[in-house]
Amino acid sequence: AQKITQTQPGMFVQEKEAVTLDCTYDTSDQSYGLFWYKQPSSGEMIFLIYQGSYDEQNATEGRYSLNFQKARKSANLVISASQLGDSAMYFCAMRGGGTGANSKLTFGKGITLSVRP
Amino acid sequence: NAGVTQTPKFRVLKTGQSMTLLCAQDMNHEYMYWYRQDPGMGLRLIHYSVGEGTTAKGEVPDGYNVSRLKKQNFLLGLESAAPSQTSVYFCASRPGLNYEQYFGPGTRLTVT
Repeated sequence: AQKITQTQPGMFVQEKEAVTLDCTYDTSDQSYGLFWYKQPSSGEMIFLIYQGSYDEQNATEGRYSLNFQKARKSANLVISASQLGDSAMYFCAMRGGGTGANSKLTFGKGITLSVRP
Repeated sequence: NAGVTQTPKFRVLKTGQSMTLLCAQDMNHEYMYWYRQDPGMGLRLIHYSVGEGTTAKGEVPDGYNVSRLKKQNFLLGLESAAPSQTSVYFCASRPGLNYEQYFGPGTRLTVT
């Protein structure tokens, strides 16, 4: 079974500073993928970044990067130069390898990030 | 493209009533999903589909049924609503395993 753990309490960061949101996972699959989503107060789910288990380099998308440490089973999201609009709930998710039952995503419980001006 | 749409956006039901939530996507995606989101619980998978005519149970399927008669539509039914089913329901779709899920805007359901 797959499991995603996000245990940080609400996070606070000063505007323009960097912040790391933690995510650890557990899976017996050799092939898997990790995703981060953002959910602002308006409620929509916004895809941020994806990392495949066989990707040799850490994924980056603009101000977002994923610090992927396979041996530690962690996939932390790093947001550089925080902006007020980054205040939101952030979810880490994982999909397993193969098709069928492993096509689903398992989500963590989320982390609330507040950016202070 | 409209992406993923959900109907209705809001609904209030009385205990025991039934209803169907409609999810539609115009991106020709194979995989479709229904989640519920409750405070402090993240997103929990109710049912999902890996293609037209197929459905499978997720983490919390009890009290819900689904159908995917057409590739673009994924219906979630509540046969006899209970207050425990008060939640925000999200539909999502994606084209393949290495792709992100595209989410609909959500349906806020209250059961009194």
